[in-house]
Amino acid sequence: SAVISQKPSRDICQRGTSLTIQCQVDSQVTMMFWYRQQPGQSLTLIATANQGSEATYESGFVIDKFPISRPNLTFSTLTVSNMSPEDSSIYLCSAPPLAGATDTQYFGPGTRLTVL
Amino acid sequence: QKEVEQDPGPLSVPEGAIVSLNCTYSNSAFQYFMWYRQYSRKGPELLMYTYSSGNKEDGRFTAQVDKSSKYISLFIRDSQPSDSATYLCAMSARDDKIIFGKGTRLHILP
Repeated sequence: SAVISQKPSRDICQRGTSLTIQCQVDSQVTMMFWYRQQPGQSLTLIATANQGSEATYESGFVIDKFPISRPNLTFSTLTVSNMSPEDSSIYLCSAPPLAGATDTQYFGPGTRLTVL
Repeated sequence: QKEVEQDPGPLSVPEGAIVSLNCTYSNSAFQYFMWYRQYSRKGPELLMYTYSSGNKEDGRFTAQVDKSSKYISLFIRDSQPSDSATYLCAMSARDDKIIFGKGTRLHILP
């Protein structure tokens, strides 16, 4: 199974600022995923990040608000831009256990974001 | 109707009891079924993974999938206080994104 780490683990930010979350996987994976988990809600997929191509965003999420980088097969970043209190949430990255596998995912520990 | 329905709980049971958690779904194309455990302030941890219908057992955990009823279950035998967590069901169709339930909060009472 993949071991996934995220930085920062938590942050408190001011309205209007941006935060970049880093995700590191201990093995090479083709796809990485970014999720948002709001209190009392299920995990919501923000986007899929493939190495070497632009991220694919889900309905309701746009690149200007959540720009994603995927510079290599083990690393990705998600930026939450121009933050508002509604962006307060846990942000999680995930990756499949094997390169090319698509039917399940392992998760990082999450980044708990509070926007004041 | 939401694609995946899961009772949020909380569910409180005494230590040693058998716990039954379940989810219903509407998309008949789902083939892959998962259960994740999430402790407070941690990321979800994959517990069980099942393909199509049937049962799968791993230690004290048993996952059941009934595709005809669009119903999946997770059973925990001899429950322990350390099993107290939120349990999320998840499922996907082939080459498609994973859809998660909202999670059921479980409390095992010593």
